[in-house]
Amino acid sequence: SSELTQDPAVSVALGQTVRITCQGDSLRNYYASWYQQKPGQAPVLVIYGKNNRPSGIPDRFSGSNSGNTASLTITGAQAEDEADYYCNSRDSSGNHLHVVFGGGTKLTVL
Amino acid sequence: QVQLQQWGAGLLKPSETLSLTCAVYGGSFSGYYWSWIRQPPGKGLEWIGEINHSGSTNYNPSLKSRVTISVDTSKNQFSLKLSSVTAADTAVYYCAGGAIVVVPAAIIYYYYMDVWGKGTTVTVSS
Repeated sequence: SSELTQDPAVSVALGQTVRITCQGDSLRNYYASWYQQKPGQAPVLVIYGKNNRPSGIPDRFSGSNSGNTASLTITGAQAEDEADYYCNSRDSSGNHLHVVFGGGTKLTVL
Repeated sequence: QVQLQQWGAGLLKPSETLSLTCAVYGGSFSGYYWSWIRQPPGKGLEWIGEINHSGSTNYNPSLKSRVTISVDTSKNQFSLKLSSVTAADTAVYYCAGGAIVVVPAAIIYYYYMDVWGKGTTVTVSS
């Protein structure tokens, strides 16, 4: 299967920890990548690989993978973390020809 | 640091062909898979397809019959054509660069897009 499934919406109190999950068969062969998208802006890569952050991404963002599930954790969520988050991998069936995105999770920071 | 600049027509009539181009500046053109992604208003990201520097392409099966992605290595540019557009093709279109990494010891891969264009809004309306 080439689908990645995310919860549509998650909320977190300011300063608390939140986990956003992504499920799919391809995640048994791929570490998920995670993107943050704020309104009117292009997505920004926040986590890739086993648990790597691009330069400039705060260390409160972390990733983990287990079986067919990937998780993005924000430890001590800030107001500026309110955004849509998308997971991403390639379809591991066949020859890994296609790129797949999860449907996105809207994170609200209360 | 790689940067992408994209351009193309923003308003189309039904049945016309969408045409967008993305230029790559400041880095390795051959080191990436170059993708087009779109986002309809209020919806999520949809991968359209990709090309590498050699011209090898992969397309989303749901769009494959209407999509052509091409590359011009002399200009470090790649382009998208989507034929026979309808209102359902109204979206923000992004170009992006992706890389695949293999972790041999774990027999696992990862794929990520770390460079994105700013997006082009394309509206299809009669």
